[in-house]
Amino acid sequence: AQTVTQSQPEMSVQEAETVTLSCTYDTSESDYYLFWYKQPPSRQMILVIRQEAYKQQNATENRFSVNFQKAAKSFSLKISDSQLGDAAMYFCAYALSGYALNFGKGTSLLVTP
Amino acid sequence: NAGVTQTPKFQVLKTGQSMTLQCAQDMNHEYMSWYRQDPGMGLRLIHYSVGAGITDQGEVPNGYNVSRSTTEDFPLRLLSAAPSQTSVYFCASSYQGTIYNSPLHFGNGTRLTVT
Repeated sequence: AQTVTQSQPEMSVQEAETVTLSCTYDTSESDYYLFWYKQPPSRQMILVIRQEAYKQQNATENRFSVNFQKAAKSFSLKISDSQLGDAAMYFCAYALSGYALNFGKGTSLLVTP
Repeated sequence: NAGVTQTPKFQVLKTGQSMTLQCAQDMNHEYMSWYRQDPGMGLRLIHYSVGAGITDQGEVPNGYNVSRSTTEDFPLRLLSAAPSQTSVYFCASSYQGTIYNSPLHFGNGTRLTVT
């Protein structure tokens, strides 16, 4: 079974600064998909960014970008110019096929003024 | 456009009681799934369905039943609730195809407490 590891249970960043959340995964597949989801206190699951394993270029969505290192099986999320609204639980997730995700245990991000 | 609707939002049960968590989507999605979220555990897949009449087990299926009689609905049944089933439950749906091109749409969750 594929496993997803988020080694940072909690992280803190000051407003306007940059923070990187770590994620590693274990798989023997060559083509798969990786995601970062944000869960604010409202409990809603919000897709932040996604990456296809066969694409070398790192995905970017506005202030959010990833550092995808396929050989190292690493998929970190960088949040630039952090805002108070970025405070949330962040989950890294792996998918092999079309309907289900394997999630990491999450990283709680605190944003301080 | 309602998306994925879960009811109820909160529920308290006594050990041994049964109940059904409802999930409905209005996007004509083929795939639907149930996850549970426990503190420090992330989300874990309980059951999933790739279409009406087809269901299968996920990572943690014990104690739960599902059925998929229509494309829109995917209820999750607890036949005899146990304290270990205290959790937040999420329903999700997506189009058929790669999960990259049709990411999961999540409901807002049901917080279940079993005493």
